[in-house]
Amino acid sequence: GESVGLHLPTLSVQEGDNSIINCAYSNSASDYFIWYKQESGKGPQFIIDIRSNMDKRQGQRVTVLLNKTVKHLSLQIAATQPGDSAVYFCAVAAGSARQLTFGSGTQLTVLP
Amino acid sequence: DGGITQSPKYLFRKEGQNVTLSCEQNLNHDAMYWYRQDPGQGLRLIYYSQIVNDFQKGDIAEGYSVSREKKESFPLTVTSAQKNPTAFYLCASSLQGESQPQHFGDGTRLSIL
Repeated sequence: GESVGLHLPTLSVQEGDNSIINCAYSNSASDYFIWYKQESGKGPQFIIDIRSNMDKRQGQRVTVLLNKTVKHLSLQIAATQPGDSAVYFCAVAAGSARQLTFGSGTQLTVLP
Repeated sequence: DGGITQSPKYLFRKEGQNVTLSCEQNLNHDAMYWYRQDPGQGLRLIYYSQIVNDFQKGDIAEGYSVSREKKESFPLTVTSAQKNPTAFYLCASSLQGESQPQHFGDGTRLSIL
């Protein structure tokens, strides 16, 4: 089965700096990856996704990088703002399986 | 606005009692999912349904039951057989097909009295 891990359970950054949140997965057949943001007391909110035929995808202030060789993906947030403070999860799926495997999350704190 | 509505937001269960959590979506999604989240942990899949009148067990289905009588609705019952039900329960839905993101409701927090 799949296991998904995050490198750091917590991350603190200064407002305006860039943030990088990392995630590692175990199944080389994994081909779909999603990043979610979860604020306290709310459900996860979709941020960005990437398929295995890509190694980079950009959204508004966010970039996801995928390295299939080492089974690693990262979420980069540019010019981090106080509203970015939340728990960030990566989720991974393989092939026709529609089940997502979630990492345990990284708590991002933005310092003034 | 389209979205996923979970109710109630907070729920309390007495010993030996079954409780049902509601999940409704108006996104016209075929697939729906129930997850459990414990403090400091990721989401674990309880049940999922890809089509009306059909559902499959996830990783932690014991002590839970579901039904899918309508496309829009996927209620979860936490039975008395679930000995550690205190958790945050999240419902999600997605379009059919590979590489479709799941979209989540805002959860129900279940506690034991």
